[in-house]
Amino acid sequence: EPEVTQTPSHQVTQMGQEVILRCVPISNHLYFYWYRQILGQKVEFLVSFYNNEISEKSEIFDDQFSVERPDGSNFTLKIRSTKLEDSAMYFCASRGDGSVGPQHFGDGTRLSIL
Amino acid sequence: RKEVEQDPGPFNVPEGATVAFNCTYSNSASQSFFWYRQDCRKEPKLLMSVYSSGNEDGRFTAQLNRASQYISLLIRDSKLSDSATYLCVVNLNTGNQFYFGTGTSLTVIP
Repeated sequence: EPEVTQTPSHQVTQMGQEVILRCVPISNHLYFYWYRQILGQKVEFLVSFYNNEISEKSEIFDDQFSVERPDGSNFTLKIRSTKLEDSAMYFCASRGDGSVGPQHFGDGTRLSIL
Repeated sequence: RKEVEQDPGPFNVPEGATVAFNCTYSNSASQSFFWYRQDCRKEPKLLMSVYSSGNEDGRFTAQLNRASQYISLLIRDSKLSDSATYLCVVNLNTGNQFYFGTGTSLTVIP
């Protein structure tokens, strides 16, 4: 069964540094998402992406965040200057075209900011 | 008001029990509904979509009540492996944003 893959599985970074989290969505999917989940808390929507542009973003997704689909395969989330509170699990998800079907999630990147 | 609300539990039930979770959503324009399960420190995994007429998948039954704006998940004959957090997810037809509930924690006890 096709799956969403994310790399790295764990990223440790100093506060203030830039990080790029990578995702390879399911190949025929057209809608892409990033979520984060702080330990012990709910899954929070960050951004959705369709047709090579952001379609929706949450209040969390401020100017420090950006997304890109550079090569038609990868879907990346960049955090420009990390803060301690960015420490969380980051999940990528994708879904196919047509009616609103479910999202399929990658197994996440654990981001630890020191 | 939160977009999606769930009773966080925890629900502790013996093996073989039947357990039901409810989830309410605030926007009457919501069109798509899902139940996901999430194991500790893992990604959410789709359990089932929820259809207007209700649907069943083995021991799991999902119901949608549009008038009262809630969805439910019923688990029959609980197994130890059902222990997880169950997430209610709702999507508006006008947007590409999915709203997650906080999740309901279930522990099935031997």
